[in-house]
Amino acid sequence: SQTIHQWPATLVQPVGSPLSLECTVEGTSNPNLYWYRQAAGRGLQLLFYSVGIGQISSEVPQNLSASRPQDRQFILSSKKLLLSDSGFYLCAWSPLVNTGELFFGEGSRLTVL
Amino acid sequence: QKEVEQDPGPLSVPEGAIVSLNCTYSNSAFQYFMWYRQYSRKGPELLMYTYSSGNKEDGRFTAQVDKSSKYISLFIRDSQPSDSATYLCAMINKAAGNKLTFGGGTRVLVKP
Repeated sequence: SQTIHQWPATLVQPVGSPLSLECTVEGTSNPNLYWYRQAAGRGLQLLFYSVGIGQISSEVPQNLSASRPQDRQFILSSKKLLLSDSGFYLCAWSPLVNTGELFFGEGSRLTVL
Repeated sequence: QKEVEQDPGPLSVPEGAIVSLNCTYSNSAFQYFMWYRQYSRKGPELLMYTYSSGNKEDGRFTAQVDKSSKYISLFIRDSQPSDSATYLCAMINKAAGNKLTFGGGTRVLVKP
């Protein structure tokens, strides 16, 4: 069966510090991978998605970036965090032929102080 | 105007009541419609998936799609305290790529 792991679960970072969130998927090959952000009381905002190694599409201009160094690994990064980067970050995967079903990780709660 | 509108709630109901949730959308190109359930501090999980207009039933859950009115609904019968969660509608336009558009979510509280 497929599983998705996301870490760290919680982190508190000062403004201007770097960020690295990591996500790995097991039990499937060539998944589509996604990073979403969920602000408090709001819906899911798609940040990045990837259909293959090294292929990243950005949905929202910001100081975040994403990378996919391996087929089942997806990393969200920032060189300098802003206060507005605080939120709940969710990694998700879908089969290559996406019918709309996304499988989400447990999420990473980021607080920027 | 958002593409998908969803009342944020909270919606509070007594145990055993029917929970009624809905979303409206503006893009008539949306073809597939989903409902996700998200417990506090967890990732969402897919609850219901529908394609065509009409009803789809799965246990205590019924999803309705009315494409002519651009309106989708989710009904939960015999609600339980364990149904307390945020429910997000989502939809996809396959012709525009494989990206989901989510509603903002409705928080539901089922009181024992």
